[in-house]
Amino acid sequence: GNSVTQMEGPVTLSEEAFLTINCTYTATGYPSLFWYVQYPGEGLQLLLKATKADDKGSNKGFEATYRKETTSFHLEKGSVQVSDSAVYFCALIRRNSGNTPLVFGKGTRLSVIA
Amino acid sequence: EAQVTQNPRYLITVTGKKLTVTCSQNMNHEYMSWYRQDPGLGLRQIYYSMNVEVTDKGDVPEGYKVSRKEKRNFPLILESPSPNQTSLYFCASSLGHANTEAFFGQGTRLTVV
Repeated sequence: GNSVTQMEGPVTLSEEAFLTINCTYTATGYPSLFWYVQYPGEGLQLLLKATKADDKGSNKGFEATYRKETTSFHLEKGSVQVSDSAVYFCALIRRNSGNTPLVFGKGTRLSVIA
Repeated sequence: EAQVTQNPRYLITVTGKKLTVTCSQNMNHEYMSWYRQDPGLGLRQIYYSMNVEVTDKGDVPEGYKVSRKEKRNFPLILESPSPNQTSLYFCASSLGHANTEAFFGQGTRLTVV
């Protein structure tokens, strides 16, 4: 079946530190890959996405590259800010699927301290 | 403004008392779904709908019902809530294609005592 595994949190970093949140996936075919972010008290919102191998998604200083050979989609940011504190979810959608549910990882809570 | 609106945001109820959580989207999306979020489990799909009058079970449908009489609305019904349905619920909508963005509501925190 389809599944997403992401690193366990919580992750605590100082402001301006480098961030990596690991994400690997298992899927039949070639899924589309996403990172969603959930700020405190809010719903999830799309952070970035990649739809094919070697694509790089980027937004707000965050990046992730679709690596088919390692089935990974790791999230990175060069210099985190306090405002980046949130829960981050890696997710996939199988293409050519009638039902297009997002399959989520368990989420990684990031806390950035000043 | 494009949005998905859920109500209520918070609800405390007693075991067995029927309740409905409403969800409405203003983006003319065909695809809508409900998820529950539980600590250590991430988000799991409860039910989904690919269009009006078309609904189907997700991964954890037991104890829930849905309906899709209009394109914009997708209510979640708990006929006889139980404490194991205490959770944070999210409604989402999208165009339904695999590479399009899903829009989420702000969530409904339900406590069943």
